Amino acid sequence: AQKITQTQPGMFVQEKEAVTLDCTYDTSDPSYGLFWYKQPSSGEMIFLIYQGSYDQQNATEGRYSLNFQKARKSANLVISASQLGDSAMYFCAMRESNSGYALNFGKGTSLLVTP
Amino acid sequence: SAVISQKPSRDICQRGTSLTIQCQVDSQVTMMFWYRQQPGQSLTLIATANQGSEATYESGFVIDKFPISRPNLTFSTLTVSNMSPEDSSIYLCSVLQRAGGVTDTQYFGPGTRLTVL
Repeated sequence: AQKITQTQPGMFVQEKEAVTLDCTYDTSDPSYGLFWYKQPSSGEMIFLIYQGSYDQQNATEGRYSLNFQKARKSANLVISASQLGDSAMYFCAMRESNSGYALNFGKGTSLLVTP
Repeated sequence: SAVISQKPSRDICQRGTSLTIQCQVDSQVTMMFWYRQQPGQSLTLIATANQGSEATYESGFVIDKFPISRPNLTFSTLTVSNMSPEDSSIYLCSVLQRAGGVTDTQYFGPGTRLTVL
């Protein structure tokens, strides 16, 4: 069964606007971590932000924030003030406590920022 | 975070041949991983590279096809053996590091784009 679901294959946003990329997850493990990565066309994977299952507050990292709704098992990435350089694939990933640090990735969302 | 390099950055190979991909880290790391990303797909973990012992492979990946070496805490290789066009993918290594005191996070190398003809 798919553990990470990203339902938006592609998204458009205008420069300087905010955009939300959806991620839902499935786990019975009470201790887990959620990660977001950015993959530009060059292919590298860039770590953006992390949210732990026991964290009381939503994670923030510069223009990135995570809207963590534990009861709904969602961890949406919010990018504020979009820039042209934000155009990329975005992957949500989960690590469970019994996974040996391995990450389980979603299928990704392609974001295009337009002028 | 650690600086991770991979060689080669890309290659085009003939079917039936093998390619060895190198991953070098500028600092010692406990855990290294190898992932595959097939065209238009997400990342799939191939194996965890263990220093001084055999790699731990995920379901669907076997040592004969993807032999891995980890001779020390800064270096690992992944070989893609007896290649077929289905092996055309981006291969990425990653390392586990705790940056900023938040949690152990995987940081990725730049990837190796492999095309098999």
